Amino acid sequence: EDQVTQSPEALRLQEGESSSLNCSYTVSGLRGLFWYRQDPGKGPEFLFTLYSAGEEKEKERLKATLTKKESFLHITAPKPEDSATYLCAVQADQTGANNLFFGTGTRLTVIP
Amino acid sequence: KAGVTQTPRYLIKTRGQQVTLSCSPISGHRSVSWYQQTPGQGLQFLFEYFSETQRNKGNFPGRFSGRQFSNSRSEMNVSTLELGDSALYLCASRPLTGAYEQYFGPGTRLTVT
Repeated sequence: EDQVTQSPEALRLQEGESSSLNCSYTVSGLRGLFWYRQDPGKGPEFLFTLYSAGEEKEKERLKATLTKKESFLHITAPKPEDSATYLCAVQADQTGANNLFFGTGTRLTVIP
Repeated sequence: KAGVTQTPRYLIKTRGQQVTLSCSPISGHRSVSWYQQTPGQGLQFLFEYFSETQRNKGNFPGRFSGRQFSNSRSEMNVSTLELGDSALYLCASRPLTGAYEQYFGPGTRLTVT
């Protein structure tokens, strides 16, 4: 059964204090791993797609990496506006199945 | 390019009633998926539509149904509402070719009393 576990559940950082969020996954054939950001009361906002182990993607202060068992979202020198819930999702390599299987997210708070 | 739009944004219904939610995908996107988000279960897949056909369905009871129109707009319906159906219902669209990422709308917040 496909499974996605994110840790920690919640993280409080001082502005400028870098850290990493973890996403461990078990899936029968990975088509893609996705990172989303969700602000309260809004829909998830797409950040990155990673397809194979060793791949890395960067956007501003965020960098996502992928291994065969987990993905990390590294946040460098975060700002208060980076406060949000970060969701990880996987898509299995199954014919006709395009659904995303989500983790429960990491709630990030960046304190000025 | 306009994003995914969902209507209504907020809805309050009574147990036993039914509800219809609407989603307009990003222009050019022909695949539409629906998800339910609750504090306890997180984001869970409901179903996906492409070319007016349901391609895949999650583990939800038959009270949850959907459809897609020829212009790719989609609706989902929940009949005989239960208190546990209170959730944020999210619609996502994706292009058919290339990357597999899905783009989400703002959601419809459904409260069942």
